Amino acid sequence: NAGVTQTPKFQVLKTGQSMTLQCAQDMNHNSMYWYRQDPGMGLRLIYYSASEGTTDKGEVPNGYNVSRLNKREFSLRLESAAPSQTSVYFCASSEGRISGANVLTFGAGSRLTVL
Amino acid sequence: AQSVAQPEDQVNVAEGNPLTVKCTYSVSGNPYLFWYVQYPNRGLQFLLKYITGDNLVKGSYGFEAEFNKSQTSFHLKKPSALVSDSALYFCAVRDYSTGFQKLVFGTGTRLLVSP
Repeated sequence: NAGVTQTPKFQVLKTGQSMTLQCAQDMNHNSMYWYRQDPGMGLRLIYYSASEGTTDKGEVPNGYNVSRLNKREFSLRLESAAPSQTSVYFCASSEGRISGANVLTFGAGSRLTVL
Repeated sequence: AQSVAQPEDQVNVAEGNPLTVKCTYSVSGNPYLFWYVQYPNRGLQFLLKYITGDNLVKGSYGFEAEFNKSQTSFHLKKPSALVSDSALYFCAVRDYSTGFQKLVFGTGTRLLVSP
């Protein structure tokens, strides 16, 4: 089982450029998440998708958009990248709201640098 | 809002000694608490969780955590540290305020185990 796969692993952008981070899971999980990790700030939730066809804002959604393409895939788009979006991005998935307390499975991360 | 605090940025311990990584929480209602570990260049991995029941929770890799309601703490412990335990540890709490279960993470504690 691959679990959660993120692409690309590394990306360098110039300010104002756009890009999409891709995420796919093969565990038939209902819920998917995008987090960003910054030094001293831990992980902060950007967007989540409770189930196929739904998406909701998390703690830090500004500057990002998401698409839940199907049950497997959840992409994160930066329309006009800014240096403040330099971070490590993690995609995660979980079984969803049915379980009493979710256990998340994380991808390996995507390191994004915006110059 | 639900939150957790990890008061130590780094914990240093010698191999073979017991280790403790501290976490305190602030929640409304009953807390659902988690510990995750992140090894270098990897995504987070689930270690253990507390939902209800015994205050001492056992998890992966010989780790355990003690839930203390009066002190609002959920400290991670291991009786004998290994060099391979060196990693970044995150405490997390379930946030159910929107009707969907999400995790709110602490800022992380780096554990360094010396030989």
